[in-house]
Amino acid sequence: EVQLVESGGGLVKPGGSLRLSCAASGFTFRTYNMNWVRQAPGKGLEWVSSISSSSFIYYADSVKGRFTISRDNAKNSLYLQMNSLRAEDTAVYYCARDRGPYDIVTGASDYWGLGTLVTVSS
Amino acid sequence: SYVVTQPPSVSVAPGQTARITCGGNNIGSKSVHWYQQKPGQAPVLVVYDDSDRPSGIPERFSGSNSGNTATLTISRVEAGDEADYYCQVWDSSSDHPGVFGGGTKLTVL
Repeated sequence: EVQLVESGGGLVKPGGSLRLSCAASGFTFRTYNMNWVRQAPGKGLEWVSSISSSSFIYYADSVKGRFTISRDNAKNSLYLQMNSLRAEDTAVYYCARDRGPYDIVTGASDYWGLGTLVTVSS
Repeated sequence: SYVVTQPPSVSVAPGQTARITCGGNNIGSKSVHWYQQKPGQAPVLVVYDDSDRPSGIPERFSGSNSGNTATLTISRVEAGDEADYYCQVWDSSSDHPGVFGGGTKLTVL
């Protein structure tokens, strides 16, 4: 059974940093591309970042230069390092598996975690 | 940046057909995915690559994409289909390829 479990969310002050983790199980993690998607309270979905199985990386304009996506295939884990956090980064952050073949990221997320809440507030 | 437009709400009676649109400039040249999200739950992929269905998704869910509009069609709508639906456009030629629409609330009357 595919499982994705996010952790690392919490309350942080504006300008602060946070590192989110996503523990993957039930599939061969190293062969899949992965996505981060967020959802502000009461709002819609926003694509944040993607990383291919060979670590080719994409970012949304809103986070480029502040967020860094990475993966550790030995630990079956996906990460999102978030720096210079702003109030508008407040959201539930979802880790999701991309269904794209081989090293091609498609954005289509076929399995999702339950999300971890990040709150940026003074 | 690429702009994707969805109607805020669509209403349909049980047993009827619901059509939810996703508009964007030349969206027909890009890949479109659709998600269903119920309150308090993570999204579920219901259509990917314009018109393909993941395993376990009923055939009542179908998608199309041409010109400036992509459409999610839900046939024989059931009460359990009431949810928010999001389209996602993936433009592989862009440095920032993933864009979601604002979402459409489907109400089953």
